[in-house]
Amino acid sequence: DGGITQSPKYLFRKEGQNVTLSCEQNLNHDAMYWYRQDPGQGLRLIYYSQIVNDFQKGDIAEGYSVSREKKESFPLTVTSAQKNPTAFYLCASSIAGQDYEQYFGPGTRLTVT
Amino acid sequence: GQQVMQIPQYQHVQEGEDFTTYCNSSTTLSNIQWYKQRPGGHPVFLIQLVKSGEVKKQKRLTFQFGEAKKNSSLHITATQTTDVGTYFCAGRAGGYQKVTFGIGTKLQVIP
Repeated sequence: DGGITQSPKYLFRKEGQNVTLSCEQNLNHDAMYWYRQDPGQGLRLIYYSQIVNDFQKGDIAEGYSVSREKKESFPLTVTSAQKNPTAFYLCASSIAGQDYEQYFGPGTRLTVT
Repeated sequence: GQQVMQIPQYQHVQEGEDFTTYCNSSTTLSNIQWYKQRPGGHPVFLIQLVKSGEVKKQKRLTFQFGEAKKNSSLHITATQTTDVGTYFCAGRAGGYQKVTFGIGTKLQVIP
């Protein structure tokens, strides 16, 4: 059963703590992405990776960090430097190249208080 | 940087009425994709348009890509309650792996 998994579905943290969101895919995709979704803002790209051990900043990378040590995994760390971390976070993957659709995971809803 | 504007942001229609959402890019696109996100769910790919002036249909859904490859539209004929959700366009400029998503149009269908 191929797809993308994100865990946990809901995550609660205290302000000032770093938190890591998991994203795993078994679609054999080279490219992976992290988006943030806020009400009325659509999907905004945080980071993306086209190949293992390489990643690029998206439009709103400040306060976030990623790693891509394995093809299947692209974890996102929300650091204490992120001023408004409460949001719905979506991970996606695709075949590398310009002509392929993205497959999204179910998302993680992070609440920081 | 590249911007993709999408209107309207919200649309309420009576079941059976038609619905259209529009996307406009600040730059020429190499392709445009459309996704649907059901309430509480995640975006799911619907279609990709690549050619200038391209029109594609999926049952009651009609997708168009403008001649200048800077705008696109999604039209739903005779909406049903199953069409409820948020529709996003996502444009890709030439040479780039990443896409830029529009803000989305949230469709409510009143039975």
